[in-house]
Amino acid sequence: RKEVEQDPGPFNVPEGATVAFNCTYSNSASQSFFWYRQDCRKEPKLLMSVYSSGNEDGRFTAQLNRASQYISLLIRDSKLSDSATYLCVVKSYGGSQGNLIFGKGTKLSVKP
Amino acid sequence: DAGVIQSPRHEVTEMGQEVTLRCKPISGHDYLFWYRQTMMRGLELLIYFNNNVPIDDSGMPEDRFSAKMPNASFSTLKIQPSEPRDSAVYFCASSRDLAYEQYFGPGTRLTVT
Repeated sequence: RKEVEQDPGPFNVPEGATVAFNCTYSNSASQSFFWYRQDCRKEPKLLMSVYSSGNEDGRFTAQLNRASQYISLLIRDSKLSDSATYLCVVKSYGGSQGNLIFGKGTKLSVKP
Repeated sequence: DAGVIQSPRHEVTEMGQEVTLRCKPISGHDYLFWYRQTMMRGLELLIYFNNNVPIDDSGMPEDRFSAKMPNASFSTLKIQPSEPRDSAVYFCASSRDLAYEQYFGPGTRLTVT
C-alpha cells in the first residue's frame, strides 16, 4: 500500500461548484498533515495545514480523521483560479525522519 | 525577500554526461531538501540536510547521485553518469525547522536523451 494515496482525477467542475478531495495515509504514526497546491509547471506551495479538529480558510475546509487515516479538502464556490493539482502531504517524526511524504496529487480543472 | 533559487531552470543533456543542479536556500533556513518529481512516481524526497550536514539520503536512487552542501547558502545535486530515466523535475526546498513550512524553488527540468 502506498504511503499517501489520492484520487488522481481530473475533477472537471463548473465555476461556483463545491468539490471535495480525499486522501488516505498508511502510517498511523503520522503526526502532521498538509494540503499543497501545485500549478502547472510550477513548484508546490503550501495551501493549508490540517488540524485534528478540522480547519477552514475562506472557501477551503480541511478535515482529518485519524481513526480512519483519512484527510479531506473541500473547496466551496470554486473559481477558475482554483485550477491546479492538490497534493496531500503527511509528515512523521522520529529517528532521522521528518520529511514530507507527498501524494501524487488530484488535478482540478474549473471551467467557466 | 528572495525565495529558493535553483539553476539551471532547464537542462538537456545526453546520456552518460555529468549533470550538476544548484540550489540557494532562503537565508536563515537550516534545512535543505532535494526532491524529484515524475508523472509515474510523483514527488519523492531524495536527501535532506540540516545545518549543511546530510541527515537522510535514503531516497537517493543509486550511487550515480550525490549531493553536497559546502555552506549554508549553497547545495548541489550531481548525477554522473546521467541516464534517460533520470529525466524529471528536480526541486530544492528549504525550511527553518522540520516543523515549519517548506518553501520550494522553481525546479530544474532535466531531460536526458
